[in-house]
Amino acid sequence: DAGVIQSPRHEVTEMGQEVTLRCKPISGHDYLFWYRQTMMRGLELLIYFNNNVPIDDSGMPEDRFSAKMPNASFSTLKIQPSEPRDSAVYFCASSPTGRNQPQHFGDGTRLSIL
Amino acid sequence: AQSVAQPEDQVNVAEGNPLTVKCTYSVSGNPYLFWYVQYPNRGLQFLLKYITGDNLVKGSYGFEAEFNKSQTSFHLKKPSALVSDSALYFCAVRDGMDSSYKLIFGSGTRLLVRP
Repeated sequence: DAGVIQSPRHEVTEMGQEVTLRCKPISGHDYLFWYRQTMMRGLELLIYFNNNVPIDDSGMPEDRFSAKMPNASFSTLKIQPSEPRDSAVYFCASSPTGRNQPQHFGDGTRLSIL
Repeated sequence: AQSVAQPEDQVNVAEGNPLTVKCTYSVSGNPYLFWYVQYPNRGLQFLLKYITGDNLVKGSYGFEAEFNKSQTSFHLKKPSALVSDSALYFCAVRDGMDSSYKLIFGSGTRLLVRP
């Protein structure tokens, strides 16, 4: 079975550029989560969606970050303008309905802002 | 407020020996508890979960975890470690009384299994 698919796997860009990260959740999963992982802060939840609707975006660091889910099979996380402190690994995860269900993670996008 | 603690940054064990990775939690209601493993340049992989029922939960790759309500702990164990078990391990909790789907993750424990 296909897992959560993220693209690109690596992104290197210059400060000030727009960055778009993409995620395809597991088919049939109603929940989608975006995380950021850094050595200093560990794993942070940025935002999560239920049935394509954002439920909790309290973890989004600032207005430069935005996330959308136009349909059940696709989500984007956008950073505009990007800054060096945004350098991190960004993960997407999905889960079916049920609070006892685990989340299934993609392999992440390693983002470097120069 | 929900929280989870992994008190050890790193655990070292010799191959063939038993291993334990510790996790304690704090929630208002009954907990949903999860263990994940992360290999280099990979996402987190689900190992096992505790919902209710048996206090000893069996999961993938020979791992198991022991739930202890009085000590609010959910330690990950394996009877005989393999070098290939070397990775980063995360404990996570969700409060059964909270309607949110947020998972609270611990800071992670690096397991190093030496040959």
